[in-house]
Amino acid sequence: GQNIDQPTEMTATEGAIVQINCTYQTSGFNGLFWYQQHAGEAPTFLSYNVLDGLEEKGRFSSFLSRSKGYSYLLLKELQMKDSASYLCAVPAGANNLFFGTGTRLTVIP
Amino acid sequence: NAGVMQNPRHLVRRRGQEARLRCSPMKGHSHVYWYRQLPEEGLKFMVYLQKENIIDESGMPKERFSAEFPKEGPSILRIQQVVRGDSAAYFCASSPTSGTGGFANEKLFFGSGTQLSVL
Repeated sequence: GQNIDQPTEMTATEGAIVQINCTYQTSGFNGLFWYQQHAGEAPTFLSYNVLDGLEEKGRFSSFLSRSKGYSYLLLKELQMKDSASYLCAVPAGANNLFFGTGTRLTVIP
Repeated sequence: NAGVMQNPRHLVRRRGQEARLRCSPMKGHSHVYWYRQLPEEGLKFMVYLQKENIIDESGMPKERFSAEFPKEGPSILRIQQVVRGDSAAYFCASSPTSGTGGFANEKLFFGSGTQLSVL
């Protein structure tokens, strides 16, 4: 089966850097996804990691360590619009994603 | 290119009524997934469909819930005899036809969801 642990809530200041951690257990690792979800809106794809290391994409970077079952999402130069939930997910079988409960990030001025 | 369209955005039903949720995937996408999100919980997989076929319904309750994706028209998630516990946000997602194989390589495009409230 699958299990994902993420912090429930985080608060950070505008312009700062924040790291959102995700630890996972899954049988047969096949990559890890991060999605962003603003309140009442659709989750949107941020990143996909299948190899160890850091992948940078603008202000957002995602890191993966398969040996540790660990990933993090790094958000730089935080903006107010980054206030959202960040969902960590792993494939569960061939046809679906298993999502964590998400980390609700609040960016304050 | 319009995104995944779901309607209605909000649906209110009384206990015992039927709820019908509709989802039109992105143009060119033939894979549709339904997820349910309860307050303070993660998205939970319900069912995966391709045109006219249910591929995986392992996450769908055995009773009262059904899904279809006809040759023409949107995918429908149908909940019969709704109960209060069915109140949740229901999200549909689509992905393009896989040319490379492997779900893990396909990102999901989600709709904005239908918030179902059962009174």
